[in-house]
Amino acid sequence: GNSVTQMEGPVTLSEEAFLTINCTYTATGYPSLFWYVQYPGEGLQLLLKATKADDKGSNKGFEATYRKETTSFHLEKGSVQVSDSAVYFCALSSRAQKLVFGQGTRLTINP
Amino acid sequence: DARVTQTPRHKVTEMGQEVTMRCQPILGHNTVFWYRQTMMQGLELLAYFRNRAPLDDSGMPKDRFSAEMPDATLATLKIQPSEPRDSAVYFCASGLDEYGYTFGSGTRLTVV
Repeated sequence: GNSVTQMEGPVTLSEEAFLTINCTYTATGYPSLFWYVQYPGEGLQLLLKATKADDKGSNKGFEATYRKETTSFHLEKGSVQVSDSAVYFCALSSRAQKLVFGQGTRLTINP
Repeated sequence: DARVTQTPRHKVTEMGQEVTMRCQPILGHNTVFWYRQTMMQGLELLAYFRNRAPLDDSGMPKDRFSAEMPDATLATLKIQPSEPRDSAVYFCASGLDEYGYTFGSGTRLTVV
């Protein structure tokens, strides 16, 4: 079945540092890939998505590129802020299949 | 902005009581998920529906949990009888196939 593996956390960075959170997946066919973010006490929010190979999703300074050859969808941001502190989830879905999440990566940004 | 509405936001109940959580998906969305989130297990898929038909409820304890969509504007998740180990945050999400899913704010359930 489909699965998602994320970089284990927690990840702690200083403000303005470069961020990478690794995500790899196993899936049949051509899934859509997502990053969700969960701020403390809130539900999950869709951060960005990519629906086909080589697509780049981007939002709020975050980017991720759908790499079919390496089955990866790594999340990056060039300069993180304290407000980016949250839990980040990589996920995939393909037609008629359920949305599958990674285990989540807790990110803490220190001023 | 369209949103997924979950009620109640918080629920404290005694062990053995019935709990019903409700979700109003976004109008026009054809897929609805129920997830449970705990510190130990992370996000667990309990059930999901497409066009109101249940597609997968293998993650749900069948003896006490039930999920239904009586109509396109309402999804329910019931626990009867509830147990302390059911304490968690329960999320509903809706979407249109694989184009992205919107989550509700969750129901925080505490069973004492």
